[in-house]
Amino acid sequence: GAVVSQHPSRVICKSGTSVKIECRSLDFQATTMFWYRQFPKQSLMLMATSNEGSKATYEQGVEKDKFLINHASLTLSTLTVTSAHPEDSSFYICSAASGVYEQFFGPGTRLTVL
Amino acid sequence: GQQVMQIPQYQHVQEGEDFTTYCNSSTTLSNIQWYKQRPGGHPVFLIQLVKSGEVKKQKRLTFQFGEAKKNSSLHITATQTTDVGTYFCAEDSSYKLIFGSGTRLLVRP
Repeated sequence: GAVVSQHPSRVICKSGTSVKIECRSLDFQATTMFWYRQFPKQSLMLMATSNEGSKATYEQGVEKDKFLINHASLTLSTLTVTSAHPEDSSFYICSAASGVYEQFFGPGTRLTVL
Repeated sequence: GQQVMQIPQYQHVQEGEDFTTYCNSSTTLSNIQWYKQRPGGHPVFLIQLVKSGEVKKQKRLTFQFGEAKKNSSLHITATQTTDVGTYFCAEDSSYKLIFGSGTRLLVRP
């Protein structure tokens, strides 16, 4: 299957700082990338859908000014958690799709905000 | 909003026993996908079902889509320790995946 990478895999930051997470499709061009958040022992919750070159579409309840998404190319999308607080601590996972139904997930980024 | 419920939430079986997880929706599903997430890992796509009453098999795994396309099941025959993980169903709705709550499977060796 296709490979999606995420960087960093783990980050610990102080409250109030911003954190950028990168998601890359390594061997295919992703027309659409998705960002999910997963709290411990819970399901994946879709945060936003991003298409290359256009603004991301955010799910209800997700603050677009807090979770900035940029999809600058067909192989890279970034999620920036601005002014992170402890309640933002979670497992953030991206996925990429090339137009067919299957989504390929990145390995995830575990964010801990102190 | 749209919800896909999954049961059980958690199951602990003896190696060699069978395991089944069920996915239910109050609305008709356009399709259903199944994913497996190992502890500490990310979801890995297993299969997609589209047709009413569809049944697909992958070795010891059997996937079914209900006739009314409102429910689906994943059955594992003779579980192995490598089957440990959380199994999620998900509906692909306009290219967005709506995940079920997941069933966590633990297998005693």
